[in-house]
Amino acid sequence: DAGVTQSPTHLIKTRGQQVTLRCSPISGHKSVSWYQQVLGQGPQFIFQYYEKEERGRGNFPDRFSARQFPNYSSELNVNALLLGDSALYLCASSLVHGGETQYFGPGTRLLVL
Amino acid sequence: QQQVKQSPQSLIVQKGGISIINCAYENTAFDYFPWYQQFPGKGPALLIAIRPDVSEKKEGRFTISFNKSAKQFSLHIMDSQPGDSATYFCAASMTGNQFYFGTGTSLTVIP
Repeated sequence: DAGVTQSPTHLIKTRGQQVTLRCSPISGHKSVSWYQQVLGQGPQFIFQYYEKEERGRGNFPDRFSARQFPNYSSELNVNALLLGDSALYLCASSLVHGGETQYFGPGTRLLVL
Repeated sequence: QQQVKQSPQSLIVQKGGISIINCAYENTAFDYFPWYQQFPGKGPALLIAIRPDVSEKKEGRFTISFNKSAKQFSLHIMDSQPGDSATYFCAASMTGNQFYFGTGTSLTVIP
């Protein structure tokens, strides 16, 4: 079975630009969470979606937004990029909302210049 | 405010030795405590997890010890191997919702 997939794997943007990251959960998983992992730190929670509805939001500015599609895949959008947005963006899926076993994808490495 | 505090930041252990990583939390509403292993260029992978009604859980060479009164939990890796060299994260959550991660421990096992 395929695990969580994310695209693209790497991305380089300049300040002020917008970026869209994509995630496909494990087949059958309905909940998707997004995390930001700055180099040398643990992942920080950004969003959680279940059945296309936002079920949780971390302490991130409104420049960050996300959505979940009917097939349970998800997109994370970041507007007006700042240098500090450079990080590894991780997607995790779980079977249901509140599913404790989260499976992480390999992440998208974003570099903002 | 760091919800989960992890130590040490880095750890070097001889092959065959015991690796011990510690975490502490404040929020007594947390009810699920997983440990993740992350290799360079990869996403975190669930290693082992525990709930607060259990004081210890063992899976192979990996053991979680949990002290509810002290609000601390630790990961023990027995018979550490060079292949265990990775970054380890503890985490905590309430009913599987938002996960709070520690800052990570870089483990190096010397052959």
